[in-house]
Amino acid sequence: DIVMSQSPLSLPVTPGEPASISCRSSQSLLHFNGNNYLGWYLQKPGQSPQLLMYLGSSRASGVPDRFSGSGSGTDFTLEISRVEAEDVGVYYCMQVLQTPYTFGQGTKLEIK
Amino acid sequence: EVHLVESGGGLVQPGGSLRLSCEASGFSFGTFGMTWVRQAPGRGLEWVSAISASGGGTFYAPSVKGRFTISRDNSRNTVSLQMNSLRADDTAMYYCAKEFQSPPWSAFDVWGRGTLVAVSS
Repeated sequence: DIVMSQSPLSLPVTPGEPASISCRSSQSLLHFNGNNYLGWYLQKPGQSPQLLMYLGSSRASGVPDRFSGSGSGTDFTLEISRVEAEDVGVYYCMQVLQTPYTFGQGTKLEIK
Repeated sequence: EVHLVESGGGLVQPGGSLRLSCEASGFSFGTFGMTWVRQAPGRGLEWVSAISASGGGTFYAPSVKGRFTISRDNSRNTVSLQMNSLRADDTAMYYCAKEFQSPPWSAFDVWGRGTLVAVSS
């Protein structure tokens, strides 16, 4: 199984400041079609998860452009250029290259 | 509007069975794969199972393989998860989610609100 590791696990951020979350996989997530099968999800308090990014760097519909994703192979990053209060919650990376699909442990973003 | 509504959760004794359902609306259900993801209380997300659009392909996490069965009825826009031999560590909120197809199986873009399963004597 592919193991996903996120850091940090806790991320206090001042509003207006940037934030960055790292996600590493135990195997490359690069498919032979050239895509990285890595997604980012945000679970806001009391809510279901929502898709933020897919294929490592593509924003899902309706996601603000302050969110960006980068990386390839085994190392990926989710960046928020200017954190807003509505961004609080737990961020998960998830690999969908092969089953069993697997999630990172989650990174809890909180406002300072 | 696209919606997924889970049902069927509840309290069950260890060793018992439960059948979860997820009813979809607002999209062409029979052309999308579906998946189940669970979250134990205070814990992270865990992928459980997935099924292809036709139902011909099914996939399971090692922790549930042989105990859980995923199925779908495209005439009723429903995907189900039959859970047998339930254990205390199956206690969780169970979410169903829809496949995002750009490209196929690249993510899950619509999620239900979940249904809670508690396994306890």
